[in-house]
Amino acid sequence: DAKTTQPPSMDCAEGRAANLPCNHSTISGNEYVYWYRQIHSQGPQYIIHGLKNNETNEMASLIITEDRKSSTLILPHATLRDTAVYYCIVRGTDSWGKLQFGAGTQVVVTP
Amino acid sequence: DSGVTQTPKHLITATGQRVTLRCSPRSGDLSVYWYQQSLDQGLQFLIQYYNGEERAKGNILERFSAQQFPDLHSELNLSSLELGDSALYFCASSSRGELSQPQHFGDGTRLSIL
Repeated sequence: DAKTTQPPSMDCAEGRAANLPCNHSTISGNEYVYWYRQIHSQGPQYIIHGLKNNETNEMASLIITEDRKSSTLILPHATLRDTAVYYCIVRGTDSWGKLQFGAGTQVVVTP
Repeated sequence: DSGVTQTPKHLITATGQRVTLRCSPRSGDLSVYWYQQSLDQGLQFLIQYYNGEERAKGNILERFSAQQFPDLHSELNLSSLELGDSALYFCASSSRGELSQPQHFGDGTRLSIL
């Protein structure tokens, strides 16, 4: 699977949009980009995923560049409850369905 | 609420003992995954089952085993426990385990070895 690179930490002001970058320069054509987050020691929470097109759901938007080498997760209006570790994961056929979690980005939303 | 249920939430036991962790997947999900999260290793994939059959193995120790039953619930058995096995154990499920289908995680079992 392609490896991902994320900044170790980010701060965001409450009510503002949080833009979380992820680099996956070795991604293959059939590999999906997934985003999860983990609040404290709770189970990882699925946020969104995409293959080529931008995606939006009730939680966030996912913007994937045309060359698919990077993506951005957008939390449109960050709240204090969005403070968590955010994981960008590339998932391909050779992963046998598993998710390979890296260190992620620690996002802290401040009042 | 992800719909994935894990029991027990907490487990405290001693070295050398054996424990069983249980997972009930979301209704309709056929695929179950087990992950371990320790302080020094992060979230690591252990094993995957699909409709009762083992599909993939990760860094699962020989002392650990799992199975998925006909009702699709799964159990992770940990034996000859060592201090280093102290960790959070998460179960996740997905519909058919395909790449386009997200995995949904339970709240985990916190295992403490004394």
